[in-house]
Amino acid sequence: EPEVTQTPSHQVTQMGQEVILRCVPISNHLYFYWYRQILGQKVEFLVSFYNNEISEKSEIFDDQFSVERPDGSNFTLKIRSTKLEDSAMYFCASTTGDGNEQFFGPGTRLTVL
Amino acid sequence: GQNIDQPTEMTATEGAIVQINCTYQTSGFNGLFWYQQHAGEAPTFLSYNVLDGLEEKGRFSSFLSRSKGYSYLLLKELQMKDSASYLCAVGYSGAGSYQLTFGKGTKLSVIP
Repeated sequence: EPEVTQTPSHQVTQMGQEVILRCVPISNHLYFYWYRQILGQKVEFLVSFYNNEISEKSEIFDDQFSVERPDGSNFTLKIRSTKLEDSAMYFCASTTGDGNEQFFGPGTRLTVL
Repeated sequence: GQNIDQPTEMTATEGAIVQINCTYQTSGFNGLFWYQQHAGEAPTFLSYNVLDGLEEKGRFSSFLSRSKGYSYLLLKELQMKDSASYLCAVGYSGAGSYQLTFGKGTKLSVIP
């Protein structure tokens, strides 16, 4: 069964450093999302992406964040200058149609020291 | 704004039935989802309601009342592996696109 994959599974970085989190959505999906979950807290929407552009972004998704679909398969989330409070699990999700069931990847656990 | 409430924790016995409630106040409602999340893992889809009524899917059922801003997830014949967090998520269409707003989740413990 096709699934969303994410790399790396764990990322440890120093405050102020740039990180890139990678996702490979399910191949025939057209809508892509990033969510984050701080330990012990709820899953929070960051951004949605369709047709090579951002459709919607939350207040969390400030100028330090960016997303890109550099080729036909990868979907990346970049954090330019990480802060301690960026430490969280980051989930990528994809779906065939806006409003349909979203399939989540296994997540990348980001730890900022 | 979006506000979703669900109980923080519940405990139930193996083989029993448990109902997890969710209430919401949102703008632009366009469907309610239930996800299961085991500790340290990704959410996995369980069910989806966009119209009022009951949706049944094996041991899991979900109910929606849009006028009351209320949903529940019903789990029957509980198994130990059902111990997980259950996330209520409201789908809504923002200015640009569809997005999910999640509740804090209900941690269900199934005991022998």
